[in-house]
Amino acid sequence: DAKTTQPPSMDCAEGRAANLPCNHSTISGNEYVYWYRQIHSQGPQYIIHGLKNNETNEMASLIITEDRKSSTLILPHATLRDTAVYYCIVRVAGFSGGYNKLIFGAGTRLAVHP
Amino acid sequence: DTGVSQDPRHKITKRGQNVTFRCDPISEHNRLYWYRQTLGQGPEFLTYFQNEAQLEKSRLLSDRFSAERPKGSFSTLEIQRTEQGDSAMYLCASSLAMGGGQETQYFGPGTRLLVL
Repeated sequence: DAKTTQPPSMDCAEGRAANLPCNHSTISGNEYVYWYRQIHSQGPQYIIHGLKNNETNEMASLIITEDRKSSTLILPHATLRDTAVYYCIVRVAGFSGGYNKLIFGAGTRLAVHP
Repeated sequence: DTGVSQDPRHKITKRGQNVTFRCDPISEHNRLYWYRQTLGQGPEFLTYFQNEAQLEKSRLLSDRFSAERPKGSFSTLEIQRTEQGDSAMYLCASSLAMGGGQETQYFGPGTRLLVL
């Protein structure tokens, strides 16, 4: 899987948008970008994923650049409960074994403050 | 709750003892994964099952570790002769792989192991 680079930490004021960047300059054409988050002492929580089009769901929006070398996760109105470590992961979509494990980096520690 | 469940949530044991963890995946999910997470690090892949077949094992999975998924539903992870270095959060995830498409893994709450 391609490696990703994320800032180690970010701050955001409650109610404001949180924009979390991720660089994946060596991403291949068949690799998806996945975002998970992990709130302290809990299991990782799936947020969103995309291939090349921007995606939106009830939790967040995912903006992928046209060259697919970077992406941004947007939490439109951050709350204190969004304080967590956010992981950006790229992985191949496929059915065969060996390509399906998630490789987590260090992630971005997002702190939302009042 | 129809999410992934893990039992126990916490386990304290003495070095040298055996421990077993259980994971119940989301119903009808055909893939099940085990990960390990140590303090301050992201989760690391240990092994995964497609139905009852164990298809990949990480080099992290020493011969003291064994995992099973006997009927393609729940899975167990056993650690024999535990060592202090085994202290970690053990995470289980499940997914539905339908071939040729995307696969999203959903994680359980984890089992936190402390080896004294």
